[in-house]
Amino acid sequence: DSGVTQTPKHLITATGQRVTLRCSPRSGDLSVYWYQQSLDQGLQFLIQYYNGEERAKGNILERFSAQQFPDLHSELNLSSLELGDSALYFCASSVGRTTYNEQFFGPGTRLTVL
Amino acid sequence: GENVEQHPSTLSVQEGDSAVIKCTYSDSASNYFPWYKQELGKRPQLIIDIRSNVGEKKDQRIAVTLNKTAKHFSLHITETQPEDSAVYFCAARIMKTSYDKVIFGPGTSLSVIP
Repeated sequence: DSGVTQTPKHLITATGQRVTLRCSPRSGDLSVYWYQQSLDQGLQFLIQYYNGEERAKGNILERFSAQQFPDLHSELNLSSLELGDSALYFCASSVGRTTYNEQFFGPGTRLTVL
Repeated sequence: GENVEQHPSTLSVQEGDSAVIKCTYSDSASNYFPWYKQELGKRPQLIIDIRSNVGEKKDQRIAVTLNKTAKHFSLHITETQPEDSAVYFCAARIMKTSYDKVIFGPGTSLSVIP
């Protein structure tokens, strides 16, 4: 157990819908990262927040947005869902602002868009 | 561009043999190279990392080597065991003026045959 929690574990929804994925980082970690892992794909970096502020962006679609709250938990919002958005979404946390440290991954949320 | 290449994509070895996974990166400023192991249905977990001020690092049966000139780094697993079967991801830290992120390779699926 990495200490990073994600809810829900599974999510099944229809095209065009909007969902929210939630992540709580390890105690003491200020950075949260979001990744998308599609079937047979690696880990695609989406976005990083540090202490409530957006720090780095990856290949995040405009239909996706995220935020980090004062209690440091983070939410990833996916809207106008398409079949291709079906994937495993991981969040990870680390102690510092930079990526020069280990990232601890949560168990992931499996999103299925029908 | 920012990318990390990884080879091979799949690897089968007999139990007790060695396994080698190779990665190349594009950004000469990269200074941190973690390796993550993802067992089937589980979260990625850091198994070893190397920083650019060293050329090799070992941890029991696992070693990582780094050649900064050639922008190559490799994971070596000796005396493989069935529990080493997993997908392994290499990654490289990409640093620019405006951002700092870790880019993952596409992964290597390692099967250790008993």
